[in-house]
Amino acid sequence: SAVISQKPSRDICQRGTSLTIQCQVDSQVTMMFWYRQQPGQSLTLIATANQGSEATYESGFVIDKFPISRPNLTFSTLTVSNMSPEDSSIYLCSVAARSSYEQYFGPGTRLTVT
Amino acid sequence: AQSVAQPEDQVNVAEGNPLTVKCTYSVSGNPYLFWYVQYPNRGLQFLLKYITGDNLVKGSYGFEAEFNKSQTSFHLKKPSALVSDSALYFCAVRDLTDSWGKFQFGAGTQVVVTP
Repeated sequence: SAVISQKPSRDICQRGTSLTIQCQVDSQVTMMFWYRQQPGQSLTLIATANQGSEATYESGFVIDKFPISRPNLTFSTLTVSNMSPEDSSIYLCSVAARSSYEQYFGPGTRLTVT
Repeated sequence: AQSVAQPEDQVNVAEGNPLTVKCTYSVSGNPYLFWYVQYPNRGLQFLLKYITGDNLVKGSYGFEAEFNKSQTSFHLKKPSALVSDSALYFCAVRDLTDSWGKFQFGAGTQVVVTP
């Protein structure tokens, strides 16, 4: 399994500002995923981040709003830009285990936009 | 398209009683199925998976799941529930048409175990 950390664990931000969330993995992984989750709800995939290439975004999510960086095999960032209260959510990163098929998740970043 | 359904928003069970959380799936081809648990203010923790082989899969914390191809189900079970099992449970299927291994998650089932 992989150990994943996220920073910050939570934040309260003003409308119109941006927040960058960091995701660090304790081993090298090819694929990382970013999800959004309303409290008590299911997960919605934002994008898939492959090291060395641009992230691939799911329908309804765009790079201008959620730019992602993947500079190496152990690290990724997700920025939530020009935030509005509708962006209040939990943001989770995960990594894919190639040999065993499951995904491993970070603890999440709880974002509140006021 | 791959999908999973969790028909129950919440399951209530008394401590010591059997716990079942239901999941049905819809896939083209052979399914790769997973169960995850999420405790309050935590990320998702992997419980178990079915890829191939024995239909009864054993996982973490005493949980098991039974893969039933004819009923397209993958129900999560625990013979004797604990209060500490109270959490949000997600069933997921891996999209085999996607080379990057994207998951499709169910809506989640809140499990409440009362003392």
